[in-house]
Order: sequence, then structure tokens, then C-alpha cells
Amino acid sequence: DVKVTQSSRYLVKRTGEKVFLECVQDMDHENMFWYRQDPGLGLRLIYFSYDVKMKEKGDIPEGYSVSREKKERFSLILESASTNQTSMYLCASWTRLSTDTQYFGPGTRLTVL
Amino acid sequence: DAKTTQPNSMESNEEEPVHLPCNHSTISGTDYIHWYRQLPSQGPEYVIHGLTSNVNNRMASLAIAEDRKSSTLILHRATLRDAAVYYCILSPTGYALNFGKGTSLLVTP
Repeated sequence: DVKVTQSSRYLVKRTGEKVFLECVQDMDHENMFWYRQDPGLGLRLIYFSYDVKMKEKGDIPEGYSVSREKKERFSLILESASTNQTSMYLCASWTRLSTDTQYFGPGTRLTVL
Repeated sequence: DAKTTQPNSMESNEEEPVHLPCNHSTISGTDYIHWYRQLPSQGPEYVIHGLTSNVNNRMASLAIAEDRKSSTLILHRATLRDAAVYYCILSPTGYALNFGKGTSLLVTP
């Protein structure tokens, strides 16, 4: 089974802190995604990566950056956390070689105080 | 992106079939129809996807209208564990998925 893991299930940070959210997948998928999920807004794409060191902006990249130094790991970085970044963050991975399925991690619920 | 329209919520009795509708009148020829679901406190999980023909797998069936402007996800016998938010998503294969608000399915014993 494909497994996508995220470094924390719950995280509490203060405004202005630098925050790292880590995502690791164990199936050699070339594509990885970061979404955020907010009540009434569904899931929204922040960034995605289709290869090591490659990244593309999604629908709401402002206030975020990403890093993909190794194929299995995709990091989401909040350079200076703000209260409006309080949300559920979901990571996903995907490969063309499988059934076209995106596999999601369990999510990180981030609270910025 | 082509848009989908789903009911906000639906209710079903346990052990009965459930038909979850999705309208996508602006679908393009390269768009696949994907269905994902999200159980409480979990990340979304893949259910099924298709392009033109009806599809079946161990979880569900996908019925696609001939003009592709609508589709229906069919759960043949709902269980309490099927209570979730179901998302109908259009995407060319290989692209990031654009999740909307989905349909919240309530299953009652």
C-alpha cells in the first residue's frame, strides 16, 4: 500500500514563526501536492511538484514556499506564520504509472496564535 | 477549470443503495471524472474515476451520462463507514485536482 505520512497531526505556532510541514511518501511517486482545507471552502491547492527541485504554484501560493530536495519528501514552509494560515494542511502524491490515483496523508491541523 | 455541481448533503439508510449525482455541463473532452471521499478526521481517499464508459470497482460504480455532462456515483449497499464527504472532480489526467465542497453523506442505521 502507498503510504503518505505527515510530520505532525497537530501543530500550534505563534504569529511570525517560521513553520515547516513535512510530507514523505514511500512509493517513488514523482508528483506531490500541498493543499489546505477550510470549512466551507473545500480543498485548495497551494503548490505542487512534478520532480525533484521542481515546483509549481497552485491556486493560493501567497505566504507559502516549498522545497523538494529528495523525491520522497515535499516540505511546505510558512516563512512568517499568520493567523489566517490556521487550517488543515493535506499532502498528496501521485504517479502516472498507477491508476491515476492521488494518495493523501492524514493531514496536519495547524493553529497559529 | 470545468466546474461541478453536487448537492450539499444527502441521507441514506444503511444497507440501501446510494446514488450521488454530479453535474458538469462544461466538461471538456480531456477531463476525467474523479470521485474521492473524505471520512471524518482523515485525508481524502480515491473512490473511482472514468472518462466515457461506466466503471466498476470494489468500492463503487460510476455511471457517466452519454453526453458526459453528468455522472452518478453508486454505492451499492451503504454502510455506516460510508458516511463521508464525497467529491466529484474534473481533471485531465496528471493534473492537480480541484476539490469543491462535495456532498456530505449521512448514513443512518
